[in-house]
Amino acid sequence: QSVLTQPPSASGTPGQSVTISCSGSSSNIGLNGVNWYQQLPRTAPKLLIYSNNQRPSGVPDRFSGSKSGTSASLAISGLQSDDEADYYCVTWDDSLSAYVFGTGTKVTVL
Amino acid sequence: QVQLQESGPGLVKPSETLSLTCTVSGGSMNNYYWSWIRQPPGKGLEWIGYIYYSGTTNYNPSLKSRVLISVDRSKNHFSLVMTSVTAADTAIYFCARVPGMWDWFDPWGQGILVTVSS
Repeated sequence: QSVLTQPPSASGTPGQSVTISCSGSSSNIGLNGVNWYQQLPRTAPKLLIYSNNQRPSGVPDRFSGSKSGTSASLAISGLQSDDEADYYCVTWDDSLSAYVFGTGTKVTVL
Repeated sequence: QVQLQESGPGLVKPSETLSLTCTVSGGSMNNYYWSWIRQPPGKGLEWIGYIYYSGTTNYNPSLKSRVLISVDRSKNHFSLVMTSVTAADTAIYFCARVPGMWDWFDPWGQGILVTVSS
């Protein structure tokens, strides 16, 4: 059972913005950095955001991350058809002594 | 740039042992953590555990009693052994590099589907 809660789905038309939330607790998001992954169908997850708001080289600046208290968010601006994918948040949980993943959000471009 | 590749049997019988290897190419294993993550078909991601290049391990408490991760730096690979598997262990198994304790997973291997069935 996932410790981090995400909305099951999100959608938008091309060019619009979408925001995905990731809700946790004081033992995980409240203490540690949050990382975000994009998973296209039948592929391995790809790192989009690390340490709450850092983008690896090669990730477009349309993707941005933020964290406040025990919640984090991933924002996608200028939505493109290539952005259709599943998105996961993940962080370390001090109480469980384990990495915990979010439930995942499927983004659809209408 | 570093690349990871999982290998091992794609089919394991219930109650038997699952064994996978992740081969690291294009870089050294030194000073990194190396992790296993799995994803049941159509479901979310679950962290299995990691090993530091020196051999220190940390496992998901929910799997700890059945899992062993080891490293062989001379062969540039690390391995996962999971005992007493059931159908619930059917999943795509990914290996990934972790820059530091509690850090992010990057890069990942392409993943290998392991089915538990008689």
